[in-house]
Amino acid sequence: ILNVEQSPQSLHVQEGDSTNFTCSFPSSNFYALHWYRWETAKSPEALFVMTLNGDEKKKGRISATLNTKEGYSYLYIKGSQPEDSATYLCALGGSQGNLIFGKGTKLSVKP
Amino acid sequence: DAGITQSPRHKVTETGTPVTLRCHQTENHRYMYWYRQDPGHGLRLIHYSYGVKDTDKGEVSDGYSVSRSKTEDFLLTLESATSSQTSVYFCAISPELASSYEQYFGPGTRLTVT
Repeated sequence: ILNVEQSPQSLHVQEGDSTNFTCSFPSSNFYALHWYRWETAKSPEALFVMTLNGDEKKKGRISATLNTKEGYSYLYIKGSQPEDSATYLCALGGSQGNLIFGKGTKLSVKP
Repeated sequence: DAGITQSPRHKVTETGTPVTLRCHQTENHRYMYWYRQDPGHGLRLIHYSYGVKDTDKGEVSDGYSVSRSKTEDFLLTLESATSSQTSVYFCAISPELASSYEQYFGPGTRLTVT
């Protein structure tokens, strides 16, 4: 079973701080890397899907990069806002179309 | 929001009883998935479907069965509920293989087995 590791487990930052999280995965048999945002009491919401080594994606203040050769992806949030508080999930796309999720990084942004 | 509903949204049941959770979509997506979410484990795949009557097991399929008789409905059955199956269950859909396509999640069903 593939293992997807996320770090840190949790993060507390002040409003306006920029921050980043890491997702690590086995680099062999790579199909795709997903990032999801999960707010408390809501459903996970897709942020990015990346498939190519060197991919960079951006949505507003949030961006992500992918290194398939060394098996990691970074998620960056520039100028964190309280509404960015959520758990950020990384998931590896499997050969059967399934997703293997990491345990997430819980971000809390203090005003 | 993608048209995904789950029913019931909350359920309390007793150990040993069968339970069926329903996922309904209006997007006509081919792929449907059932996950469970538990503290310390994140989201884990139970079963998934790649078409009508086509299903396969996920990481934590023991004690669960699924059926998909129509494109829009994917049912998850706990054959004889146990306390270890207390969890939040999420359904997800995707138009193509979710390896490279994002999944859209339903609102979740909170199941408590007493």
